[in-house]
Formats: sequence, structure tokens, C-alpha cells
Amino acid sequence: EAQVTQNPRYLITVTGKKLTVTCSQNMNHEYMSWYRQDPGLGLRQIYYSMNVEVTDKGDVPEGYKVSRKEKRNFPLILESPSPNQTSLYFCASSLWDSLSYNSPLHFGNGTRLTVT
Amino acid sequence: GENVEQHPSTLSVQEGDSAVIKCTYSDSASNYFPWYKQELGKRPQLIIDIRSNVGEKKDQRIAVTLNKTAKHFSLHITETQPEDSAVYFCAATGMEYGNKLVFGAGTILRVKS
Repeated sequence: EAQVTQNPRYLITVTGKKLTVTCSQNMNHEYMSWYRQDPGLGLRQIYYSMNVEVTDKGDVPEGYKVSRKEKRNFPLILESPSPNQTSLYFCASSLWDSLSYNSPLHFGNGTRLTVT
Repeated sequence: GENVEQHPSTLSVQEGDSAVIKCTYSDSASNYFPWYKQELGKRPQLIIDIRSNVGEKKDQRIAVTLNKTAKHFSLHITETQPEDSAVYFCAATGMEYGNKLVFGAGTILRVKS
């Protein structure tokens, strides 16, 4: 089954304790992205990647890191989490057209992170 | 700058009525406009999309219209049913958005039975 898999689904942690949220897709998609969803703010992009070893900042990258060492995986790293990073996080992937972006995004099931 | 505005933020309709959600975008070069539906506690899922070379697209009870001159596009749901209740997000992308899909803030649709 074609899917984007995120883990964990729920995570409660304390301020300053490093954490990683994993994301993996089995559709051979070039493009992968992380979003955070907060009430009234919609989906805001954190980081994205157009292919292996290619990553770039989205709209709200502060406090986050990513890596793309393999095509299928795109982990999100919070080196020193803070309470304002409490949110619902989604990983997504799609095919990539080098001329313009016009392929549907496939989302993972989300990770609800609480930082106390 | 990049901006996608979505209205209304909440919409309540009676079962069987139509619902319309409208989005405006700022990038005149935008060429792809998807709509996502997010049910409570679930991930966003694509329900329909339209590209800039067409003005309207339909899929059963759902349709999307695009007005490139006015830079707005709308989602139309006819004969609404309780299972249509969800949050709906519009999005737009194009060369000036720099490889990003920019989302609207979302519309909470409630269908009352």
C-alpha cells in the first residue's frame, strides 16, 4: 500500500530534550516536506526537500532540523524543544516536476507533540 | 509576497444545501490549486485539484472553479451530507512561490442534519 508513515503518533517530552520524528514513504517520491498545524493558522511548512541531500527552509524553520540521506526517509529533528513547538506535525511527499510544482501531496497520519 | 486567503473560516449549512469556500492568491504565476479535506483527528487528503489551463473541474458532488484574472478559486459542494463535515484547506503554488505549496488557513464546514 502506498503510504507516508510517521512515528510516533503521540509524543510528550520536556523542554530541551532532543527528539526525532521519523517519516518514510514507499512511493519513490522526490519531494518531501514537514508541516505544523496550529488552530487558526492552517498548515505551515517547516522544511522541504526536492531530492536526496537537497533540503530548504519553509516558512517556520526556526528550532528544527531535517536531513535527506535516503530518498524514502525525511526525519524531523528538534535539538532543544520548547513549549511553543507543541503542535500537530505532518510529513508529506509527492512527485516532483522540475518545471513547476503540480503534483498532489500525500500526508502521513500526523504526530501530536507536547513539550512541557 | 506569497499569500493564500481563505473564506469563510467557519461555515454551517443544512444537509442537502450547497457549500462554497473561496480562496484568493497573490502570485499571478500560480498554476496548481488543490483542495484538501481533513476530518477530525485525521490527515489532510486531496479531494480535487485544478490546473491553470482549465476553468472548472467536477467530481460528483464536488467542483472547483478558477478565475485567473481575479486570482481566486472556489470549492463547491452540492447536496451536502453530514460526512462532508470537516476542515477544508485550499492551496496554491507557482514559480514565484519557490517550490512551495502555500495553504489557506482552513474552513470548518459543519453540515447539520
